[in-house]
Amino acid sequence: AQSVTQPDIHITVSEGASLELRCNYSYGATPYLFWYVQSPGQGLQLLLKYFSGDTLVQGIKGFEAEFKRSQSSFNLRKPSVHWSDAAEYFCAVGAVDSNYQLIWGAGTKLIIKP
Amino acid sequence: NAGVTQTPKFRILKIGQSMTLQCTQDMNHNYMYWYRQDPGMGLKLIYYSVGAGITDKGEVPNGYNVSRSTTEDFPLRLELAAPSQTSVYFCASSYSAGSEQYFGPGTRLTVT
Repeated sequence: AQSVTQPDIHITVSEGASLELRCNYSYGATPYLFWYVQSPGQGLQLLLKYFSGDTLVQGIKGFEAEFKRSQSSFNLRKPSVHWSDAAEYFCAVGAVDSNYQLIWGAGTKLIIKP
Repeated sequence: NAGVTQTPKFRILKIGQSMTLQCTQDMNHNYMYWYRQDPGMGLKLIYYSVGAGITDKGEVPNGYNVSRSTTEDFPLRLELAAPSQTSVYFCASSYSAGSEQYFGPGTRLTVT
């Protein structure tokens, strides 16, 4: 069965510093991978997705993620965070043989220090 | 363009009561989903639909029912509410199975 692990429940980063949020998945074949962001009291918004091809994926708001098959990882990065990036970030996995139903990680809450 | 709308935003139910959570999308998406979000647990899929008249169970369907009579609407019915159904419920839609899911703002439900 597919599973998604986000090892960090909370991460605190200073404004202007770089960010990396970890996501590991368990699946036999190459899954479809997503990062979503949830601002307080809001629904979720897609940041980026990986289906195939170039393993470095660019998303909105200056985020990028790199798919590493050998490590079963899809970590999210941003070179310089802004206070407005404070939110909860979710990694999700989908696959053809599950009709693309998404399995979600538990989320990582990003806290920005001024 | 409203996207995905959900009503109500908040609701408190007593144990054993029933209610319907409404979800409407105006993007002509075929796929619609209902999730629940519990603290520290991520999202769990309750039900989904691949088009009008077609629905299927997700990971946690017990205690819920859905219908999809139109492309736009995908209501979620809770029968005999239980405290375990206290959660935030999100409706989402997508153009196709693997494409971006667009989320509504959520309904915070408390069952006491």
